[in-house]
Amino acid sequence: LAKTTQPISMDSYEGQEVNITCSHNNIATNDYITWYQQFPSQGPRFIIQGYKTKVTNEVASLFIPADRKSSTLSLPRVSLSDTAVYYCLVGDMDTGRRALTFGSGTRLQVQP
Amino acid sequence: EPEVTQTPSHQVTQMGQEVILRCVPISNHLYFYWYRQILGQKVEFLVSFYNNEISEKSEIFDDQFSVERPDGSNFTLKIRSTKLEDSAMYFCASSGGQGQPQHFGDGTRLSIL
Repeated sequence: LAKTTQPISMDSYEGQEVNITCSHNNIATNDYITWYQQFPSQGPRFIIQGYKTKVTNEVASLFIPADRKSSTLSLPRVSLSDTAVYYCLVGDMDTGRRALTFGSGTRLQVQP
Repeated sequence: EPEVTQTPSHQVTQMGQEVILRCVPISNHLYFYWYRQILGQKVEFLVSFYNNEISEKSEIFDDQFSVERPDGSNFTLKIRSTKLEDSAMYFCASSGGQGQPQHFGDGTRLSIL
């Protein structure tokens, strides 16, 4: 499994764009990059998944450079409700069938 | 949007008692999982289940644990003789398969007294 490194915590203000970068230097060819969000006392919630370049959905964008050794989750115009822990996970294409390994994540605190 | 539902939201049990945690995965999903999260710690994988059998399990998933899909909609986790250290949030997840993300329920908080 590719090891991931992400900041322990980040602070932001409402309305700002937040970029959380994850390093995964030993990512394998078949690995996908997946981000989850977790609020206190709730289950992890899938945000976005990508393999290369850029992926965008209604809540976030995921930027993956050509070497795929890192990725950046971008949250546009955050609000107080985006305060949560964000997890970067890297695993092969069978993530639908295999165990997910969660790290400690990045604790994002959004201030008014 | 379809979601994974778990019951009960909170279960309090005496040490040594059996407990069954219940999950209803998303209806067309084929792969099912249990994870747990001890307070303040990481989310840990317990077991995955596909085609009516265990696909993968972690060291945590010892003989005290079992899983079952008793019918077409439910997926259960049984702990036979609970210990204090079993106190945690237990999350069920399901997935449609290869390349599809896992979707989690909001968990059952298990408190062992």
